[in-house]
Amino acid sequence: EPEVTQTPSHQVTQMGQEVILRCVPISNHLYFYWYRQILGQKVEFLVSFYNNEISEKSEIFDDQFSVERPDGSNFTLKIRSTKLEDSAMYFCASSELTGGGTEAFFGQGTRLTVV
Amino acid sequence: GQNIDQPTEMTATEGAIVQINCTYQTSGFNGLFWYQQHAGEAPTFLSYNVLDGLEEKGRFSSFLSRSKGYSYLLLKELQMKDSASYLCAVLSGGYNKLIFGAGTRLAVHP
Repeated sequence: EPEVTQTPSHQVTQMGQEVILRCVPISNHLYFYWYRQILGQKVEFLVSFYNNEISEKSEIFDDQFSVERPDGSNFTLKIRSTKLEDSAMYFCASSELTGGGTEAFFGQGTRLTVV
Repeated sequence: GQNIDQPTEMTATEGAIVQINCTYQTSGFNGLFWYQQHAGEAPTFLSYNVLDGLEEKGRFSSFLSRSKGYSYLLLKELQMKDSASYLCAVLSGGYNKLIFGAGTRLAVHP
């Protein structure tokens, strides 16, 4: 069964460093998303991406964050100058279509720890 | 604003039935999903409702009332492996972002 894959599964970084989280969405999917979940809190929408551009972003997704689809398969989230409060589980998701009923498939997540 | 409410915790006995409620107020609505999430893992899809009524899928059923902004997830014949968090999420906006509730942590006891 096709799945969304994320690397690395765990990332520890020093405060102030840049990190890149990588995702390979399901191959025929057109819509890509990043969500994050701080430990013990709810899953929060960060950004959606379609047709090689950001389609929507949340208030969390400020200038510290950027997304890119550098080739036909990868979808990356870059966090510049990481802060302690960026420690969270980051989930990538993809869907085939938009509109009602289209299930978003989630990757297994990257646990980011900023020390 | 966007607001999705569900109980924080519930407990139930193996073999029993449990109903997890969710109420929502969101600026857009393209449907409602229920996801299961085990600790440290990704959410996995359980059900989707866009029209009013009940959707049944094996041991899991989900109900939606759009006029009341209300949904529930019904789990039957509970098993120990059903111990997990259950996330109510509203599909919103033209590009289908999911707005999640805080989740209901269900503990199933023997």
